[in-house]
Amino acid sequence: SQQGEEDPQALSIQEGENATMNCSYKTSINNLQWYRQNSGRGLVHLILIRSNEREKHSGRLRVTLDTSKKSSSLLITASQAADTASYFCAGWNSNSGYALNFGKGTSLLVTP
Amino acid sequence: EAGVAQSPRYKIIEKRQSVAFWCNPISGHATLYWYQQILGQGPKLLIQFQNNGVVDDSQLPKDRFSAERLKGVDSTLKIQPAKLEDSAVYLCASSSQGGETQYFGPGTRLLVL
Repeated sequence: SQQGEEDPQALSIQEGENATMNCSYKTSINNLQWYRQNSGRGLVHLILIRSNEREKHSGRLRVTLDTSKKSSSLLITASQAADTASYFCAGWNSNSGYALNFGKGTSLLVTP
Repeated sequence: EAGVAQSPRYKIIEKRQSVAFWCNPISGHATLYWYQQILGQGPKLLIQFQNNGVVDDSQLPKDRFSAERLKGVDSTLKIQPAKLEDSAVYLCASSSQGGETQYFGPGTRLLVL
């Protein structure tokens, strides 16, 4: 299975600031996905970036992927208190056919 | 479009008892996943189904956990007998096919006493 490892483990910022979290993985992937989990709830898909893409945007989210370094970053611009959550990444390799495995996540706290 | 449904939402049992969780995926989704999420950790894949066949169950503790997906739709996950360390949130997710966006249910929070 393809497991992502997020960094940092915890991040605390103020509203309006940008938040950047990183993800590293160990084997080749076809795509990498980022998910958000609010306390006590299920995971919500944020964005999927394929191995032939280097950057992708969705609203205030910007994701980059560097397959040579086996790493990805998620940037949340102009953060809001509602962005307080845990963020997870997971990679997918179609050859294995196996599902994603998640790391421990980055816990983001956005204070007013 | 209805999301992934799970029941029950909460369950408290004593160790050595058995428990079952149910999941109804998004209509038409061929791939279904069960995850275990222990407090403070990321979700750990227990089993992945493609239609009603098992793709990956390498992390499923098969001596006590079992899962089935009858007719390629609903799925049940069973634990028998439960141990204290099984206390966790059990998440079900589905996707149109393996590797694509997963849609998660709200989870079942299990407490084993």
